[in-house]
Amino acid sequence: DADVTQTPRNRITKTGKRIMLECSQTKGHDRMYWYRQDPGLGLRLIYYSFDVKDINKGEISDGYSVSRQAQAKFSLSLESAIPNQTALYFCATSDLWSGELFFGEGSRLTVL
Amino acid sequence: AQSVAQPEDQVNVAEGNPLTVKCTYSVSGNPYLFWYVQYPNRGLQFLLKYITGDNLVKGSYGFEAEFNKSQTSFHLKKPSALVSDSALYFCAVRRNQGGKLIFGQGTELSVKP
Repeated sequence: DADVTQTPRNRITKTGKRIMLECSQTKGHDRMYWYRQDPGLGLRLIYYSFDVKDINKGEISDGYSVSRQAQAKFSLSLESAIPNQTALYFCATSDLWSGELFFGEGSRLTVL
Repeated sequence: AQSVAQPEDQVNVAEGNPLTVKCTYSVSGNPYLFWYVQYPNRGLQFLLKYITGDNLVKGSYGFEAEFNKSQTSFHLKKPSALVSDSALYFCAVRRNQGGKLIFGQGTELSVKP
């Protein structure tokens, strides 16, 4: 089983719909992240959480919200999806000491 | 503010030749530098990192990277490229041990037989 699991892997939705992307991890890490990948722009940080009670905005948080339900679970929500939120979304985890991120396989979201 | 630049969108190399993927960074203080690789339809995988010590860092799959403080660069290298090295490569930097990781825009490496 993957250490960092994202669901759904693919989703097509319509403008205005609410969408939730879920992430769970078995790494035992306190730190979790949501990134968005767009061609030519690399990965941009949406939100990050250093523990269950700590939520922080990243570079591009507008239009997104997150929930850290437990150490192992970190979900990303789009309250009212718009077409320019079409992208590949990655969840990642890390511990404090190594600095290395462990990524999920990604969730491809298409907003029509 | 910290930032990372990968000046080449694409690098083309013949199999067996050496490869270099370039990365420059801007960060206050001592940087923590990383390289990740992304194969098609997969998440990113860690290749190597520089935190302190020897400027030449060795990582997975025969890759290495050279930290150059005066040029604020952290170029990824491999002496002999393989077709299977074809992928998207990302450089990333964080300002300190607990800081956020900021990624470059990525470089597509294509290795031809």
